[in-house]
Amino acid sequence: DGGITQSPKYLFRKEGQNVTLSCEQNLNHDAMYWYRQDPGQGLRLIYYSQIVNDFQKGDIAEGYSVSREKKESFPLTVTSAQKNPTAFYLCASSTEQGAVITEAFFGQGTRLTVV
Amino acid sequence: DAKTTQPTSMDCAEGRAANLPCNHSTISGNEYVYWYRQIHSQGPQYIIHGLKNNETNEMASLIITEDRKSSTLILPHATLRDTAVYYCIVRVGARGGADGLTFGKGTHLIIQP
Repeated sequence: DGGITQSPKYLFRKEGQNVTLSCEQNLNHDAMYWYRQDPGQGLRLIYYSQIVNDFQKGDIAEGYSVSREKKESFPLTVTSAQKNPTAFYLCASSTEQGAVITEAFFGQGTRLTVV
Repeated sequence: DAKTTQPTSMDCAEGRAANLPCNHSTISGNEYVYWYRQIHSQGPQYIIHGLKNNETNEMASLIITEDRKSSTLILPHATLRDTAVYYCIVRVGARGGADGLTFGKGTHLIIQP
């Protein structure tokens, strides 16, 4: 089945450690996105990538890093510089049909808790 | 991307039509209106999108005003499973014009039995 997979679903880390969240899609989508969601809040964009080997900062990129070495993979690293890393992280992908961007497909999220 | 304004929350009786408004008064000519919803602790789910004509699919209808400054998402027969946060987003839809897909806080729709 085609889809977008985030792993793990729950992740615990000690304060000061870097942690990498996985996002893989087999939809052949060009664009991929990372979002952060805090309790009772909407989604905030961290980074996005429209093509391989290229990515742009979103609204809250500080303390995060990404790579896009392969079309199907867009891992997110939460570094020790991120002051409040505990949150729900969502990955998404989208593509274009003709001249229109299609809808974005989301993974089921990774809930990161830093203790 | 243009900013959108949505009510924080709405109630609707089960079986009735749920009408969710969205204002996007600064929308540009090449920006589309997209709707997503998010059920608690899950990833958002796409519902529908449109440019200027009204659109309908198996989930909902999207009504866009003639001046495109506002739109309404209609769930024709709401069920308890439609309880979710609904996000209205406007973004450039054309190839090469893509940027980040920006979500606001959305409308928390509560379907009452």
